[in-house]
Amino acid sequence: RKEVEQDPGPFNVPEGATVAFNCTYSNSASQSFFWYRQDCRKEPKLLMSVYSSGNEDGRFTAQLNRASQYISLLIRDSKLSDSATYLCVVNMGTGGGNKLTFGTGTQLKVEL
Amino acid sequence: SQTIHQWPATLVQPVGSPLSLECTVEGTSNPNLYWYRQAAGRGLQLLFYSVGIGQISSEVPQNLSASRPQDRQFILSSKKLLLSDSGFYLCAWSWLGNTEAFFGQGTRLTVV
Repeated sequence: RKEVEQDPGPFNVPEGATVAFNCTYSNSASQSFFWYRQDCRKEPKLLMSVYSSGNEDGRFTAQLNRASQYISLLIRDSKLSDSATYLCVVNMGTGGGNKLTFGTGTQLKVEL
Repeated sequence: SQTIHQWPATLVQPVGSPLSLECTVEGTSNPNLYWYRQAAGRGLQLLFYSVGIGQISSEVPQNLSASRPQDRQFILSSKKLLLSDSGFYLCAWSWLGNTEAFFGQGTRLTVV
């Protein structure tokens, strides 16, 4: 089983649609979780952290389910500019160390 | 504010030649530093991470090495490049603990 697993997509959605991505992780001791966005041929950029209680940032909502070991990202009212690859990231470090493990990403294409 | 610089942006090297990629961070002290590689159409693979000067942890055995001669400088090297070393190399930094990482703009290496 991969340490962090995502559906690679692509997800092709019309502008204005709501789309959700899921991600599963293998290490139940993981402490922190993030979603990154990566545009084509660019570096990944932090989209948002994922908190145990769930969190929202504008059109983006992230949720964590520790019992089932999965993380989700919901994008509402999709924009053309949301087209990118979304990377699920799990910190598998121990003893306060930082070891970010990335999923292979889910590709989103928002169309007119 | 913190910034991370990585160079060069693009590099074409012949098989068997040496490699040196440099990364520097400004605006913070004692960061955790990372080298990742992303092969075409693949996820990010952690190559090395460092929690301090001279402290390097290797995640996968390979043809590469890393060094941290100064607090905010991280260098990725190879004595003899292989075709399989081609990819997108990303340097990143983070604070100590379970925090997000911030990436440099990456170096796209093609070994020919």
